[in-house]
Parts: sequence; structure tokens; C-alpha cells
Amino acid sequence: QIVLTQSPAIMSASLGEEITLTCSASSSVSYMHWYQQKSGTSPKLLIYSTSNLASGVPSRFSGSGSGTFYSLTISSVEAEDAADYYCHQWSSYPTFGGGTKLEIK
Amino acid sequence: EVQLQQSGTVLARPGASVKMSCKASGYTFTSYWMHWVKQRPGQGLEWIGAIYPGNSDTSYNQKFKGKAKLTAVTSTSTAYMELSSLTNEDSAVYYCTIITTVVATEFDYWGQGTTLTVSS
Repeated sequence: QIVLTQSPAIMSASLGEEITLTCSASSSVSYMHWYQQKSGTSPKLLIYSTSNLASGVPSRFSGSGSGTFYSLTISSVEAEDAADYYCHQWSSYPTFGGGTKLEIK
Repeated sequence: EVQLQQSGTVLARPGASVKMSCKASGYTFTSYWMHWVKQRPGQGLEWIGAIYPGNSDTSYNQKFKGKAKLTAVTSTSTAYMELSSLTNEDSAVYYCTIITTVVATEFDYWGQGTTLTVSS
């Protein structure tokens, strides 16, 4: 199975700051998806196929990467972005990263 | 509008079995795989497996073979997951989720989750 490692595990950011979350794969994958999960709710698709914004997702979110290294960037953090973020790939079968918790200072 | 409505919180004893449900609406139930994902408290997400209601074909994460059994009833557009021989490690939130885009692999709709607590 392909193991996804997300870093950092916890990130603290200030309002308006640009941040980047990363996801490293144990083997090369064709693309990566990202989900946002706020406390007590289901995961919500944020970015699909590495760089495509899901419907209704603000343009401050963006994704990039290839091979074994992928990233999610928030250009200007807002209070509502406080959440856990998970990367996800589907090679032989779906696996998820361990998540990054984004805290707002 | 696609909706996945899951059954409520479950409390079960170690060694028991439980069956939870996911009722689908807003799309053709028989045309999309229904997936199940586990999330233990404070931890990440794990794919359990999936069922294609159109023909009841199933696919499981090797880790969950023998633990989870997926079924579907097309007349009520409801998918089920039964977990057997429960242990504390099975305490988690379980989500049903689907992929509605053709030739895609991202999960775009999720149920609200069913919380399972295993305790004596």
C-alpha cells in the first residue's frame, strides 16, 4: 500500500498568513486529493486531482505537486479555515494521510 | 441533491456484532460504488471497502476482510456495513461516501457518520 505522510502534524497560523501543508507519498502517485474536516463534521472535498478546486471552495486554496510530493496552500488564512486537512490517493486502493491540524492564532 | 443519511450512535459490547446503515437519495443508487471509511478518535481516515449496489460486487481493504461485511438493498437505496467480533479498536466514526464523477477517485459526498463505541 502507498503510505501518505503529512507535515506538519499541527500548524498554527495568523490571519492573513500564507501557509503550505505537505503530503509525501511512499511511492509515486498520479494525483492527490485534499479534504477539509472541521470539528464534529464529515470530511469535505477541497481539491481533486492535485490542483482542481471542488465546487464552492474559495480561491485562496490551491494545490500542486507530482510524483511523491504534493502540497496544499492557503494564500491568506481566514478564521474559518481552522480544521484538519487530509490528503488522499488512490493507486491500488485508497489511502489517506494522517492529517494536519490547522490552528488560527 | 445527493444525500447520504447514516444511522445513529451505537454502543456495543466486546465480541458483539453491529450493523449500520447509509440511506442514499438524490442519485441512482445502483450506479455508484458506496464506500465506507473509518476514523478513530483523533486519528486519520482508513478505507474499509466498497460495494456496487447494481450487482452487489464488493471490494475490501485486506485489513478489514473478516471484520466488515458490506451489503446493499436496492429497493430502499440503503447500504449496510456489519462489523463483527468487536474490540475497542473498532470504536470509531464510520462514514459512507461515494464518487459521483465518472473515472474519478475523489470522494465528493459523505454521510454524517455513525459513531460506534465498544465498551463492556
